[in-house]
Amino acid sequence: ETGVTQTPRHLVMGMTNKKSLKCEQHLGHNAMYWYKQSAKKPLELMFVYNFKEQTENNSVPSRFSPECPNSSHLFLHLHTLQPEDSALYLCASSQAAGTTYNEQFFGPGTRLTVL
Amino acid sequence: KNQVEQSPQSLIILEGKNCTLQCNYTVSPFSNLRWYKQDTGRGPVSLTIMTFSENTKSNGRYTATLDADTKQSSLHITASQLSDSASYICVVSAPYSGGGADGLTFGKGTHLIIQP
Repeated sequence: ETGVTQTPRHLVMGMTNKKSLKCEQHLGHNAMYWYKQSAKKPLELMFVYNFKEQTENNSVPSRFSPECPNSSHLFLHLHTLQPEDSALYLCASSQAAGTTYNEQFFGPGTRLTVL
Repeated sequence: KNQVEQSPQSLIILEGKNCTLQCNYTVSPFSNLRWYKQDTGRGPVSLTIMTFSENTKSNGRYTATLDADTKQSSLHITASQLSDSASYICVVSAPYSGGGADGLTFGKGTHLIIQP
């Protein structure tokens, strides 16, 4: 285990549903990240939070809404998603974002299917 | 545009054999290069991190090499085991430029299958 947990592990939702993904890190880190991993594509960075402040929004559609109430928890709120949003959503944490030799630790991911 | 290209896309070898995975990158300037292992249904786990001055690094049966002049890296797996079946992702980091992220460029990965 990497010290980063994600729930749920699997989620199936309709295009009109609202759901949330949760991530928790037990490593004492100050930065948390959301990534999208689609088949045959590189990981795509979505959002970065550093010391609870959002420091990166990588042109993500507004149907994805992140929330970081503290350095240990990160949420991704989902609403009116499209079938092409089906993917593995990975959460990661690190000591602090934006440092050159910064190692990220990944959670197991949430496999999302949008019908 | 910064890119990381990995080859082959997929590879099947017999248990006990060795294999080498390749990573070519165009990221410049360069800070460090990482190899991650991602088991099916799991998140990536770091295997090695190499800086500009390191040209080889080992982690058990995994040995990574780096040639910063030709912008190439390889990951060599010795005496493969069934548990080595996974995707291997090469990630290249540029120096921190003041943005909010870590300046990482990810490859698509090589899917490795070890057969008994």
